Amino acid sequence: DIQMTQSPSTLSASVGDRVTITCRASQSINKWLAWYQQKPGKAPKLLIYKASSLEGGVPSRFSGSGSGTEFTLTISSLQPDDFATYYCQQYTSPCSFGQGTKLEIK
Amino acid sequence: QVQLQESGPGLVKPSQTLSLTCTVSGGSISSGDYYWNWIRQSPGKGLEWIGYIYYTGSTNYNPSLKSRVTISVDTSKDQFSLKLNSVTAADTAVYYCARTLVRDQLLLTYWGQGTLVTVSS
Repeated sequence: DIQMTQSPSTLSASVGDRVTITCRASQSINKWLAWYQQKPGKAPKLLIYKASSLEGGVPSRFSGSGSGTEFTLTISSLQPDDFATYYCQQYTSPCSFGQGTKLEIK
Repeated sequence: QVQLQESGPGLVKPSQTLSLTCTVSGGSISSGDYYWNWIRQSPGKGLEWIGYIYYTGSTNYNPSLKSRVTISVDTSKDQFSLKLNSVTAADTAVYYCARTLVRDQLLLTYWGQGTLVTVSS
């Protein structure tokens, strides 16, 4: 099975900051990589698929890049609504998730 | 807009069988375009995909859980169900149902709100 490793586990930042979260796969997954945002008590919400395609309705300050085994999620200018936990997922079968990155207010 | 809603007991005793149902509204489970999935989330293991079912009854399970999992579908009720047997405390988690497009592999586009299941005597 493919293991997904996210870093950092926790990230402290301020409104307006640019932040980047990294996700590494234990073997090549081409571009079959998604990013989700999860808020407390809610289900994960799809933000980005195929490594860099923005899901409909997601603000353009979110962007993704990468292929193969290394991927990044960037938020260009943090907004108050962005403080949440972010997960990467490789979505070939069986799919697997990173352990999450909690984005906190500094 | 499709909606998914999980239901079932919130407390299950160790060694027993966990049973949950997901009801789909705003769309038909018999659409050939989708797989219907179960995922769980626990503090210890994070997010874990359990498996999916197609409306025909075809299934695909996570190898790590395959020996204990059964997913079934009732197209007349637009419902699909999860059974996980021989549960232990490690199976305590929030269980989600979710939908994926067949052409998009296991990209989880729509999720239910989740239901907490605790395994305890």
